[in-house]
Amino acid sequence: SAVISQKPSRDICQRGTSLTIQCQVDSQVTMMFWYRQQPGQSLTLIATANQGSEATYESGFVIDKFPISRPNLTFSTLTVSNLSPEDSSIYLCSVGEVGTANTGELFFGEGSRLTVL
Amino acid sequence: RKEVEQDPGPFNVPEGATVAFNCTYSNSASQSFFWYRQDCRKEPKLLMSVYSSGNEDGRFTAQLNRASQYISLLIRDSKLSDSATYLCVVNTGFQKLVFGTGTRLLVSP
Repeated sequence: SAVISQKPSRDICQRGTSLTIQCQVDSQVTMMFWYRQQPGQSLTLIATANQGSEATYESGFVIDKFPISRPNLTFSTLTVSNLSPEDSSIYLCSVGEVGTANTGELFFGEGSRLTVL
Repeated sequence: RKEVEQDPGPFNVPEGATVAFNCTYSNSASQSFFWYRQDCRKEPKLLMSVYSSGNEDGRFTAQLNRASQYISLLIRDSKLSDSATYLCVVNTGFQKLVFGTGTRLLVSP
């Protein structure tokens, strides 16, 4: 298992500003993922954070809006830029090995609850 | 069509009841399947994997029907502590997990 610390746990931001969320893992991991969970909805993968290279973004998510850093194997940040009320959501960092068949255990941070006014 | 579909519920059941959740997935090439549990205002956690032969873990039984692209979770002898949202999760084989919207279960005394 992995212990994941995310911060901030919650924040309230003004529209047009940006928020950076940090994710720290207690061990070195290859794959780190950023998910979004909007109110009443399930988790949607934003991107896979790759160490030493650019993140891989899912359809509908772009680097300008969600820049990601992954400076080493234990740490990543997600920035949500130019905030609008539609960005109000829970953002979750997760780690796990999902590259092969029969793997699917992800460990999640406690999430960062963002409210945009 | 959503990649993973679940009945959102809520399912309201008394303690001791048996309850079943279903899930369908659209990608026939999906490789592996899971049930996660998410408590209110908490992060999701793996409950169990789902194997073709079916598998059981205590009061929980998971079944997979690849032909019908259908997954189920059966909970026997429901406890108050089982109240949560149960997420059906599919590994599509492209190095990512796709989550269903979840089925909410409320177990009452």
